[in-house]
Amino acid sequence: EIVMTQSPATLSVSPGERATLSCRASQSVSDNLAWYQQKPGQAPRLLIYGASTRATGFPARFSGSGSGTEFTLTISSLQSEDFAVYYCQQYNNWPPITFGQGTRLEIK
Amino acid sequence: QVQLVQSGAEMKKPGSSVKVSCKASGGTFSSFTFSWVRQAPGHGLEWMGGIISIFHTTNYAQKFQGRVTITTDESTSTAFMELTSLTSEDTAVYYCAGTLEPVYYFDFWGQGTLVTVSS
Repeated sequence: EIVMTQSPATLSVSPGERATLSCRASQSVSDNLAWYQQKPGQAPRLLIYGASTRATGFPARFSGSGSGTEFTLTISSLQSEDFAVYYCQQYNNWPPITFGQGTRLEIK
Repeated sequence: QVQLVQSGAEMKKPGSSVKVSCKASGGTFSSFTFSWVRQAPGHGLEWMGGIISIFHTTNYAQKFQGRVTITTDESTSTAFMELTSLTSEDTAVYYCAGTLEPVYYFDFWGQGTLVTVSS
């Protein structure tokens, strides 16, 4: 089973600043990596797939990078609606599909 | 516009079973890849298993093997997840999630179904 590790667990950032979230895989997942945004009481929402392709509806301030075992989600200038929990997920080796434990992005 | 609409909340006794449905609209049902992902209160996301319709294959996480069954009914455009031998640790929101590609990332999500297991 591929273990996905996200860091940090919680990230405190001021609106307008840049946020960088990390995700590490225990073995290579190539670029088969997705990111999701989840707000309280809502289902997750696909944000990035293929490590760097932005999903429909998300603005260009969101970007994903990396391949193999190291991945990054960057939000260039945080808006109030961006504060949420973010999960990475690998879909290269399955079963099982595995998620990271999540990074909570909170307002500083 | 693809929509996934799940059945309502369930209250179950330990040892019983639950079957949750997920009705799809807005896409060609035979092209869907469905998964079931659960989230215990205050916890992260856990993949239980999925079905790739175009390949007619079903895959399960080993943790749930033997306890979960995922099926689809093309006549009603509905996916189902049945979980047996419930314990309190199965209390969670269960999401169906899917895509119109034969891959296991999730473009579309249902609204979630809360399953509470309590005596």
